[in-house]
Amino acid sequence: DTAVSQTPKYLVTQMGNDKSIKCEQNLGHDTMYWYKQDSKKFLKIMFSYNNKELIINETVPNRFSPKSPDKAHLNLHINSLELGDSAVYFCASSPGLVGADTQYFGPGTRLTVL
Amino acid sequence: AQSVTQLDSQVPVFEEAPVELRCNYSSSVSVYLFWYVQYPNQGLQLLLKYLSGSTLVESINGFEAEFNKSQTSFHLRKPSVHISDTAEYFCAVANFGNEKLTFGTGTRLTIIP
Repeated sequence: DTAVSQTPKYLVTQMGNDKSIKCEQNLGHDTMYWYKQDSKKFLKIMFSYNNKELIINETVPNRFSPKSPDKAHLNLHINSLELGDSAVYFCASSPGLVGADTQYFGPGTRLTVL
Repeated sequence: AQSVTQLDSQVPVFEEAPVELRCNYSSSVSVYLFWYVQYPNQGLQLLLKYLSGSTLVESINGFEAEFNKSQTSFHLRKPSVHISDTAEYFCAVANFGNEKLTFGTGTRLTIIP
């Protein structure tokens, strides 16, 4: 059973389009995250949600809008895609809000904006 | 604010040789420290973590890391590497009382047969 799953795995689209990435976890965790990994493998947190409530919102353009319909799902919608949005986006989850918690990562979604 | 520095972006090592991947952190408060591993085309997974207690922590596949508070370091070591250890290794830090995890820029470990 996949613990943290993301769809799609690959996403190729044109500049200016709107796209969504979906994430689901079956671990029963309360907290979910979105990370962006750039071409140099640098991993940076974008958002975190705890029980559907937004906790962390890093300096991310407001073209990015996370949505958590329930605590097992955290989706990422991106409006007006730009070339610089090309990256691998990882979803992750953890049991709670404690920094000591292990985070469990999904397989990633490789977004390419042409 | 916390930060992590991984000085080596790439480390090539011969199979069965020892390896050390360096990690230094900066924080004004006590920290939790982690090493995550990313195998090719996969997500990250936890390798080991230091929360408190013994400063030497071990993973199930032979890696170990030692927390050194005076040097603010958490270097990762393995006495004998295998081809299957080829991966990107990320050091990460979280401050006490803060759920945010900050990652280093990663070290690519390449094993030479």
